[in-house]
Amino acid sequence: DAKTTQPPSMDCAEGRAANLPCNHSTISGNEYVYWYRQIHSQGPQYIIHGLKNNETNEMASLIITEDRKSSTLILPHATLRDTAVYYCIGSMKTSYDKVIFGPGTSLSVIP
Amino acid sequence: NAGVTQTPKFQVLKTGQSMTLQCAQDMNHEYMSWYRQDPGMGLRLIHYSVGAGITDQGEVPNGYNVSRSTTEDFPLRLLSAAPSQTSVYFCASRNGGQGAHEQYFGPGTRLTVT
Repeated sequence: DAKTTQPPSMDCAEGRAANLPCNHSTISGNEYVYWYRQIHSQGPQYIIHGLKNNETNEMASLIITEDRKSSTLILPHATLRDTAVYYCIGSMKTSYDKVIFGPGTSLSVIP
Repeated sequence: NAGVTQTPKFQVLKTGQSMTLQCAQDMNHEYMSWYRQDPGMGLRLIHYSVGAGITDQGEVPNGYNVSRSTTEDFPLRLLSAAPSQTSVYFCASRNGGQGAHEQYFGPGTRLTVT
């Protein structure tokens, strides 16, 4: 599974877009990029995933660079409830039960 | 659906005691996993299962046993608790189908070993 690197923390003003970067330069062609978040001490929550194309759902957008070495999770209008730790994971679908969630990025949404 | 449920929510053990953390899911998911999360850290995989009767080790399996006799249940056994096992334990499940990517996590069990 691909090693990922994320900044340890970020701030974002409420109502603005939060852009969370992830570096996954060792990702292979059949490995997906997954994003999860963990609010306070709850269980992690799935946000979005992608392989090559950009993806959007009701929670967020995922922008993957053409060379697939990095990606950005975008929360278009951050709210206080988006304050959480965000995890980026690179893995093949068949094996991502075995992946490790790294320390992630702690996002603080500021009023 | 209740999703993924875990019991107990909190537990305090003395060193050397044994116990079983329960995990159940009602979504008929094939894949189930156990993670631990230490303060300020990400999650580390302890054991996982790709179906009833099939289990395998993750990154940190020592001191833990699992079994998967049914699709619904995936209990985690601590054989002889140690202070180093003080942590929050999360269970997760996922559908093994072609289009299924999302892992569903339980609310966690907070374990303290004194």
